[in-house]
Parts: sequence; structure tokens; C-alpha cells
Amino acid sequence: AQTIHQWPVAEIKAVGSPLSLGCTIKGKSSPNLYWYWQATGGTLQQLFYSITVGQVESVVQLNLSASRPKDDQFILSTEKLLLSHSGFYLCAWSLGGLFAEQFFGPGTRLTVL
Amino acid sequence: GDSVTQTEGLVTLTEGLPVMLNCTYQSTYSPFLFWYVQHLNEAPKLLLKSFTDNKRPEHQGFHATLHKSSSSFHLQKSSAQLSDSALYYCALSDQNNYAQGLTFGLGTRVSVFP
Repeated sequence: AQTIHQWPVAEIKAVGSPLSLGCTIKGKSSPNLYWYWQATGGTLQQLFYSITVGQVESVVQLNLSASRPKDDQFILSTEKLLLSHSGFYLCAWSLGGLFAEQFFGPGTRLTVL
Repeated sequence: GDSVTQTEGLVTLTEGLPVMLNCTYQSTYSPFLFWYVQHLNEAPKLLLKSFTDNKRPEHQGFHATLHKSSSSFHLQKSSAQLSDSALYYCALSDQNNYAQGLTFGLGTRVSVFP
């Protein structure tokens, strides 16, 4: 069975500090991968997606970047955090194609102070 | 481009009453529609998805019917439970965006009171 893991579970960081969030999917080969951000009490905002290793497309950047160094790994990062980066970060995967629903990871709660 | 509209931001109701959440969409092609549910501090989970054979999808007492004539996929339940309090997202997939993935609506927050 496929599993999706995100790390860390939660993070408290200072404004201006760097950030790296990770996501791994096990049990699926070559999934489509997605990063979403959700402000507290807010709606889902897609940030990036990737359909293959090494290729990432930006939807909304929010001064963040993403990379896919391995087939099963998706990384979200920034060199300088802003207060507005606080929120809930969700990684998701799908098989792609027309019928493909997305499956979300447990998320990372980020607080920027 | 594709879009999903959920007209209610917040729905509050008493336990045992019926609930309907509106979802309409715009799509160039024939899309597939999904409902996701997100409980507090949890990730969104798939609740329902539309079928190609006109079956009405049902899960946990919720059901939805895809009406292509009105471009709608409203979510309904005959009797709301306290545990239904959550954020509900409608989403679509079509040939425009199957690489980028689903197009989500803004979500409807449901609060069920005893």
C-alpha cells in the first residue's frame, strides 16, 4: 500500500531564517506530486506540482521554491521566511490523468515568529 | 479556464437536519468532480467522486449527483451529525489540467450543533 510521509510534523521558525519541508511517497512509482499551503482558517492554495523527477512547475510562488530530487521525494524550501509563510503545508500525490484523485499527506504546521 | 464555485463560506445547522453544499463549475471539457472533507488539524480526504456511468456516488451518508446541464455537483446528506463539522472542498479534473491536478473551490465550512 502507498504511504505519504511529511516532515517535520511542526516547525516554529524565526522571520528571515531558512526552511526546508519534505515529503516522500512509498509504494507508488512516478506519481504526480503537489505542494499546497493553507493559512489558518483559510482555503487550499496550490503552490507547485511535479510530474517527473527534476521538473517542478510553479503555480503560486509566495517566495518559496520546490524541487524533486528523487522520484518519491518532494522538497519545499526558502532561504528567508516571512511572517506570511505561517500555515499548514500539505503534500499530495496522484497517478495523474483525468480520473486521478489526489491523496494528501498529514501536513506540516509552520509558525513563523 | 477551469473554475469551481462554492457559494457558501459557512453553513451552520442543527444535528439531524439535512445539509446541502453547493458546487458549480466551469470547464471546457467534460470534467470529473470530487468532494474532499478536511477535519480540524487534519489533511483533506476524498469523500466522493463522480462516476462516468451515471451512478450516484455515496459515502458516509453523503451523496452527490453530477448535473452536466447545470454544471453542478452539490453535496447532500439527509441527516447531519456532529462529526460532519469540517471544511468541504469541491474539485474538478479535466483535460485542461490533469498535469497540474485538481482545481479546488474555496471550500465551505460546516458547523453542526446539538
